[in-house]
Parts: sequence; structure tokens; C-alpha cells
Amino acid sequence: DADVTQTPRNRITKTGKRIMLECSQTKGHDRMYWYRQDPGLGLRLIYYSFDVKDINKGEISDGYSVSRQAQAKFSLSLESAIPNQTALYFCATSDYQGGYTFGSGTRLTVV
Amino acid sequence: AQRVTQPEKLLSVFKGAPVELKCNYSYSGSPELFWYVQYSRQRLQLLLRHISRESIKGFTADLNKGETSFHLKKPFAQEEDSAMYYCALRWVQKLVFGTGTRLLVSP
Repeated sequence: DADVTQTPRNRITKTGKRIMLECSQTKGHDRMYWYRQDPGLGLRLIYYSFDVKDINKGEISDGYSVSRQAQAKFSLSLESAIPNQTALYFCATSDYQGGYTFGSGTRLTVV
Repeated sequence: AQRVTQPEKLLSVFKGAPVELKCNYSYSGSPELFWYVQYSRQRLQLLLRHISRESIKGFTADLNKGETSFHLKKPFAQEEDSAMYYCALRWVQKLVFGTGTRLLVSP
């Protein structure tokens, strides 16, 4: 079983729609992250959370929001999707020693 | 500001040739650096971390504080090494990634 699971794997949505990407983990890690990956830009941090009551903006948080429903769940929302949010989104968790585990990614296309 | 630079977007070599993927960083403190690999749209996997100083799949990387570099090396490339490689710096419990280098190993 995958220890960091992202759903959906692929999603096509229309401009202006609200969409939620979900991430759950069985690693028992407190720290969770959302990154987006774009060709030529690498991975950029959107939001991160160090525990259930802690939410922090990353370098590209505009247009996104998150919810940490439990230690194991961290959701990313696009309130009103736009085409330049088309990207591959990765959730990750880490332990206190900095070992990161990534999910398989969600490929989002906004048309 | 902390930054990771990978100057090459694509590195193409033949099987059996040596490989060096370049990574430079800017960070005022004591850096903690990593190499991650991503095979064919799969999830990112940790390849190396500098504090462990181990060799994984024949790859090694040495931290050079004087040159602020953490280049990834392998003496003899294999076709299965073809992938995206990301250098990353750990800063305040977050990873800052470079833009990645695609390694293509041809037969």
C-alpha cells in the first residue's frame, strides 16, 4: 500500500470551477506539504503544515487554500481554477530528520 | 535568499559514459542537501542526502562548501538512469528545489 496517497490521479476541470485535491498518509508524520511541478520550473511550494493546527503559505500560495483535517489528511483547494494552474501537484510528508515521502501526484488540467 | 541552481535542463550521454549533474546553492547557514530522482512521471524518490555520504545506484555527491556545489556523479551511466534529477536544499524544515536536469542515457 502506498504510504502517501493522492486523489484524484488525473482531473480535467473548467475555468472558474472549484476543485479539491486530497492527500492522505500512513507514515505518521506531522509535517505535510503541497508542491506544484511545472516543466522548466521544478517544484515550488504552495502550502505546508507542521501539525494539525499549523498552516503556512509557501512561495506560490495565491489562488490556493488548504485544510489539515487530521494528522493524516491535507487537502489543497483551488477556489476558482484558471488555466495557468494546470500542473502536476505533489503532496509530501516529512519526519523530523527531513526525510521526505512524496505521493504519486495529481495531474490537473484547467480548460 | 536560499536558492538552488541546476544549470543544465538536459544532459544527454551514451551508456557507459561518466555523468555529472551540476547543482549550486546559495545559503548563508550550514546546508543540508539532497538529490531526488523522478522516473517517467512517477513520484519523486530520495536518491542521496549529503549527511549520509552513501552511494546509491552508483551515484555519489560531495558537498563543496567553497564552491557551494553538490554535484551528482556516476562513473558509468546506464540506460535505466534516464530520469529527471532534482537537487534540493532543506531550509526551515522545507525543501527548496532546483529546476531539475533531465538525464538521457542512450544505448
